[in-house]
Amino acid sequence: SAVISQKPSRDICQRGTSLTIQCQVDSQVTMMFWYRQQPGQSLTLIATANQGSEATYESGFVIDKFPISRPNLTFSTLTVSNMSPEDSSIYLCSVAFNYGYTFGSGTRLTVV
Amino acid sequence: AQRVTQPEKLLSVFKGAPVELKCNYSYSGSPELFWYVQYSRQRLQLLLRHISRESIKGFTADLNKGETSFHLKKPFAQEEDSAMYYCALSGIQGAQKLVFGQGTRLTINP
Repeated sequence: SAVISQKPSRDICQRGTSLTIQCQVDSQVTMMFWYRQQPGQSLTLIATANQGSEATYESGFVIDKFPISRPNLTFSTLTVSNMSPEDSSIYLCSVAFNYGYTFGSGTRLTVV
Repeated sequence: AQRVTQPEKLLSVFKGAPVELKCNYSYSGSPELFWYVQYSRQRLQLLLRHISRESIKGFTADLNKGETSFHLKKPFAQEEDSAMYYCALSGIQGAQKLVFGQGTRLTINP
């Protein structure tokens, strides 16, 4: 399966600022997925990122708040913009690989 | 709509006892079902998926389309099985998004 390097692993940010999370995959993959895991909750899909096209966002998530880049088949970024304490969560990227799904180690974001 | 239900948020059993973590799903097409596990301070990792019909770490799960269930079972629990378990579903056509259940925290008591 693919190996994903995700960074940063954690950050503490001031409200109103933005944070960009990076995911690097050791193989070329068509689709990358970004999830959010709020405290005590399960994983919720934010968006699906295909290389060469705009990301597809799930209901309740918008591009202005969570812009995504997918410049090539091994890399993607998710930005959490204009942060508020409600954005404090773990953010994870994932790739589909031979009908399995591999996850990054997650970014634990705390907004103060 | 895709939906995965794990009715138990917490499950506690004694070491050596059988374990069953319940998962029910709702999906209009042909689903692919997964169990993921997250041990303390580790990343989410695939435990098993129904198409491979494997037994991983003594765990098995059978897809029951009639009951729309994919329960995870292990005959004899071990302390190292204590973790968070997530049931997840995707469509079977190519790479699609995963929909997760709420998760069950399994604690194995010595």
